[in-house]
Order: sequence, then C-alpha cells, then structure tokens
Amino acid sequence: GESVGLHLPTLSVQEGDNSIINCAYSNSASDYFIWYKQESGKGPQFIIDIRSNMDKRQGQRVTVLLNKTVKHLSLQIAATQPGDSAVYFCAEIGGQAGTALIFGKGTTLSVSS
Amino acid sequence: DTEVTQTPKHLVMGMTNKKSLKCEQHMGHRAMYWYKQKAKKPPELMFVYSYEKLSINESVPSRFSPECPNSSLLNLHLHALQPEDSALYLCASSQGPRVNSPLHFGNGTRLTVT
Repeated sequence: GESVGLHLPTLSVQEGDNSIINCAYSNSASDYFIWYKQESGKGPQFIIDIRSNMDKRQGQRVTVLLNKTVKHLSLQIAATQPGDSAVYFCAEIGGQAGTALIFGKGTTLSVSS
Repeated sequence: DTEVTQTPKHLVMGMTNKKSLKCEQHMGHRAMYWYKQKAKKPPELMFVYSYEKLSINESVPSRFSPECPNSSLLNLHLHALQPEDSALYLCASSQGPRVNSPLHFGNGTRLTVT
C-alpha cells in the first residue's frame, strides 16, 4: 500500500541554526505533498506544499525540496526559533482516486535557546 | 484558532456509554475527514465524506459511526468503545473531493475510554 515515512524520529538544534527534516515516500504516482506542523495539544497546521511538477518551493523561512528520482522530500527551516519546536509530518495523497491524505511517521524538532 | 471547530475538546466515557463528537467548518469545503491519532504517532485516516456522502471507510469498527448532516457539519457517533480507542480524534476539511489543496484540521477531541 501507499506509505510515507520520515528518516529520523527526533532532531535537536540550537536557536538560529538551520533545520532539515527528511521524508521518504513510496508511491511514485504521488503528485502532491504537504508538510504539517503539530504542536502539543493542537491539530496539524499547514506549513507548505509542493506538486510533483516542481523540485523546490519556498515560503517564509521554509523550503521544501522534492526529489522524485529517489522519492524523497525535505523541509528546511531557516534560522530555527524555539517556537518551531513541534512534530513535523510529511503527507502524500492516497486513497481512492487521490481523495485522502496519508501521513508519514513524524519528526520531533526540539529547539534550544 | 482554527477554521475547523471540534467539540468537545475533551471527553471521558465508559465502555457502555454513547457519545458524539462534532465538527464544523464554514469554508465551503465539500470534503470532510475523520482521523485518529495515538500518542507519538501520525494521524490515521478513518473516514472521508465527499459532497456529504461517505466515500472512504478505512475498515473502521462499527462502534464508530460517522454522519454528515450537511456540508458544514460532521459527526462521529461512539458506542461501546474499548479502552484502546482512547486517542485524539481529528476532523479536517478540504475543497475536495480530490486532495489538491491542504486539508484544514481542527484541534481535535481528546477521548478517554474508561
């Protein structure tokens, strides 16, 4: 079946560092990917998305890279802040005719000041 | 605050109780979702409604019964749950039916089954 996974369960960085969170996906037919941030006690919050016709997309302090050859996604956070501490999930389209979103395992980012 | 509102925020119920979780969105989205999330795990898809019709049931036990009364509301009726059903239940919506834009999530209902 379709699945999306993350390479590292935890990542610890210092405030001001750049963070890179990685994700591998298995469905080569996936054409849309989303990164979510989930803080304690809250639902997942949209960060950035990318479609399969793109290799890179930038937002405010975040960049998503997509490598379709090796089925790999990454989320780069510039100048990481304590408020970035959360669990980060990548997600890909799944289900019947792409009508559902399937989450990867998640990486817990801890930012120390 | 999110644009998807879930009530209640917390719920404790016994195994013989019947309760309902509620979800509401006013973004004009036509697809709505229920996910279940256990601690330190990713959200797992349970149900998808598209244009108020159930389109996906991920082999969820019948003690969970979804309902979509109209395009803005989504309910999850609970009956005879087990302690292992304790989890965070997340509702989401999207423009739908095919996911080509982000899902918007509520903050969930934290369910404890005693």
